[in-house]
Amino acid sequence: AQTVTQSQPEMSVQEAETVTLSCTYDTSESNYYLFWYKQPPSRQMILVIRQEAYKQQNATENRFSVNFQKAAKSFSLKISDSQLGDTAMYFCGMNTGNQFYFGTGTSLTVIP
Amino acid sequence: NAGVTQTPKFQVLKTGQSMTLQCAQDMNHEYMSWYRQDPGMGLRLIHYSVGAGITDQGEVPNGYNVSRSTTEDFPLRLLSAAPSQTSVYFCASSYSYPSDEQYFGPGTRLTVT
Repeated sequence: AQTVTQSQPEMSVQEAETVTLSCTYDTSESNYYLFWYKQPPSRQMILVIRQEAYKQQNATENRFSVNFQKAAKSFSLKISDSQLGDTAMYFCGMNTGNQFYFGTGTSLTVIP
Repeated sequence: NAGVTQTPKFQVLKTGQSMTLQCAQDMNHEYMSWYRQDPGMGLRLIHYSVGAGITDQGEVPNGYNVSRSTTEDFPLRLLSAAPSQTSVYFCASSYSYPSDEQYFGPGTRLTVT
């Protein structure tokens, strides 16, 4: 079975500080992709970052970076210099074959 | 480009009624999919399509039908609505594979009474 687990339902961080959101996954597939999507109050889903499992180098996108630990099946998201616009629900996701699996989400609040 | 569009934005149905949620994209994407989002459950894949004429089931397909007669359109049909289908429904598309970036529509909030 393919599963994605986010164990932190809610988190908060002070503006300009750094926060890390956790995600673990389980799959027996050797080829898969991992994602973080952001859903602000507008409900629009927006891609934050994407990681190809066969690449050892951790993906980065400006203030967003991941810590991909393949053996531990862990894929955490680090947000540096948090901004008020980062307040959103964050979903970890995994693609295997033609299927896509999401975690239950972490609600992040950035405090001014 | 309009991206991914969904209609309607809101819908209230009575138990047993049927309806179709519309989804269209103008990016010439091959892969299209439908998700439902429920509180505490994240998004779950209902059905997907890898191209015109090809559809398959996702994680939670029961009670839903899909078809893909054109590259642009991917409607989701509720055959006999049940209260358990109360949810927010998202359509998404990506260029070729779900491993590409998925572009999501704005969602449809459906309530079944």
